[in-house]
Amino acid sequence: EDKVVQSPLSLVVHEGDTVTLNCSYEVTNFRSLLWYKQEKKAPTFLFMLTSSGIEKKSGRLSSILDKKELFSILNITATQTGDSAVYLCALYTGNQFYFGTGTSLTVIP
Amino acid sequence: NAGVTQTPKFQVLKTGQSMTLQCAQDMNHEYMSWYRQDPGMGLRLIHYSVGAGITDQGEVPNGYNVSRSTTEDFPLRLLSAAPSQTSVYFCASSYWGGTNEQFFGPGTRLTVL
Repeated sequence: EDKVVQSPLSLVVHEGDTVTLNCSYEVTNFRSLLWYKQEKKAPTFLFMLTSSGIEKKSGRLSSILDKKELFSILNITATQTGDSAVYLCALYTGNQFYFGTGTSLTVIP
Repeated sequence: NAGVTQTPKFQVLKTGQSMTLQCAQDMNHEYMSWYRQDPGMGLRLIHYSVGAGITDQGEVPNGYNVSRSTTEDFPLRLLSAAPSQTSVYFCASSYWGGTNEQFFGPGTRLTVL
């Protein structure tokens, strides 16, 4: 059974749209939840969340964790073509990282 | 500071051949890990290590061996390659303990015929 489930699997939007990517999980005892962006190469780090309800922001991207409802969301506002990528969510339990299958985002000009 | 390096970038093997994928990091990270990434499957952990001399299995360890003789290096060995091992392999490293951001290598694309 998958420990980390991401939705939607894929998404196509137009430039300027706002998107919300979801990550739900079943592991309750974990140290952190991480978001990565992958563009045809190695994943690159976006955010690390450890506390529920505290929003992390970086430019047009933001993310929040809800430990009670067991999910996290990644928001991207005013999307650009450079945001096209696969976005991965991962849980770190202290020994292992568990990754979701990712959401493939395509931004059309 | 080179970060995490992997060699080779590409490799083609015949069924039954053996090979070693190399991974090195220069950030003095205790934790190192190997993942494989297949279409629609996300990243799956093969083996990991929390320090020199210490290794453990991840989700999909069968057909792979690892060792960790130094902090810097974490090679992955395929003893007898099978077509099911065709995949992209990523090595990653991080500090151990705490909350941990992982740094990934550029990946090795392996094809087993």
